[in-house]
Amino acid sequence: DTAVSQTPKYLVTQMGNDKSIKCEQNLGHDTMYWYKQDSKKFLKIMFSYNNKELIINETVPNRFSPKSPDKAHLNLHINSLELGDSAVYFCASSQGTIGNTIYFGEGSWLTVV
Amino acid sequence: AQRVTQPEKLLSVFKGAPVELKCNYSYSGSPELFWYVQYSRQRLQLLLRHISRESIKGFTADLNKGETSFHLKKPFAQEEDSAMYYCALKETSGSRLTFGEGTQLTVNP
Repeated sequence: DTAVSQTPKYLVTQMGNDKSIKCEQNLGHDTMYWYKQDSKKFLKIMFSYNNKELIINETVPNRFSPKSPDKAHLNLHINSLELGDSAVYFCASSQGTIGNTIYFGEGSWLTVV
Repeated sequence: AQRVTQPEKLLSVFKGAPVELKCNYSYSGSPELFWYVQYSRQRLQLLLRHISRESIKGFTADLNKGETSFHLKKPFAQEEDSAMYYCALKETSGSRLTFGEGTQLTVNP
């Protein structure tokens, strides 16, 4: 299937731990994103990479570090997890940065206890 | 800075009734607008984009630049339309999607 896929889908972890969420797209897109959906279902962009280069970096704590080893992958590493990090994290991709549809992954449900 | 407002967090209608989900935006340039739908615990899926002017699953949306609105409409709601709907704006010069807060639509039998 052609898609944006992310792993894990569900993650429960303790405060203070470090965790990663992986994202891969096989759509041939050159731009990838991380969005966060909070408990109130509000969606906000966190990061965007175009051809492995960071192009959008919203006001996100530096405990969050994206890494793009190639243009088909964009991973999100989170250090020292806090309760407030509990959310659904969506990976997305598009071809180019202008004028093209953004496709989303299924989301990764992170719960910090 | 761009902003998208969906004034209704919750909207409940009966099956067969018309439904309108409101979306207003503010953006200094010429916007590109989208509606995304999220069924329970699933990914966000693109429902409509204003430049394609198509009807998907019976939904339509017209961009009204005078009123800065992009309301989503369906003449006869179905139970399977129950979902979270997000209006989103994309700046013409970049890739950032700005979402509204979402409207949870419930279609009752």
